[in-house]
Amino acid sequence: QVQLVQSGAEVKKPGASVKVSCKASGYTFTSSGISWVRQAPGQGLEWMGWISAYNGNTNYARKHQGRVTVTTDTSTSTAYMELRSLGSDDTAVYYCVKDYAYNMDSWGQGTLVTVSS
Amino acid sequence: QTVVTQEPSLTVSPGGTVTLTCASSTGAVTSGYYPNWFQQKPGQAPRPLIYTTSNKHSWTPARFSGSLLGGKAALTLSGVQPEDEAEYYCLLYYGGAWVFGGGTKLTVL
Repeated sequence: QVQLVQSGAEVKKPGASVKVSCKASGYTFTSSGISWVRQAPGQGLEWMGWISAYNGNTNYARKHQGRVTVTTDTSTSTAYMELRSLGSDDTAVYYCVKDYAYNMDSWGQGTLVTVSS
Repeated sequence: QTVVTQEPSLTVSPGGTVTLTCASSTGAVTSGYYPNWFQQKPGQAPRPLIYTTSNKHSWTPARFSGSLLGGKAALTLSGVQPEDEAEYYCLLYYGGAWVFGGGTKLTVL
């Protein structure tokens, strides 16, 4: 079965960067894309960006363009999301999601990133 | 800035039927927006229910159905169960970018 296992919780200071990993299994990694979605405490879902694991093409939400980078390592079937210049409003649970053919069908367990001085 | 709008909250009686909608600030929602629907309960990751307007996942209960209705994407629950109480999110595709709706809190009472 498809599984996306994310890295553990992070605590970062304002201005720092964070890199969250997402290891995929149970499907051919390069046959799909990975989207990244976040959810601030008590708030709704927010799409941040997408990468094709096949060719590395990326799309980003305009709001996050320039501050977020999504990458993949096909040798380990792992996707990464790096967010720079963190502020307190970046405190959220970050999810990776298998995104293929307009179908977000499998979600990671989420990674809590806390930004605090 | 594209905005996707859902009803903030709805209440339904057990066994009843309710329809949640998802509107786009750019105009009528069509199949080309590839609507997805998700259910989220407190402390859990979102659970996919519907993709590309009306397609169900293998785990999606039969009482959930997706459609296009009056220029919006719609999620209908027929024969609502107490365990359907949750937050529901729609997701629309805008040529390379996805945008979530703000969510509908469904109360079963």
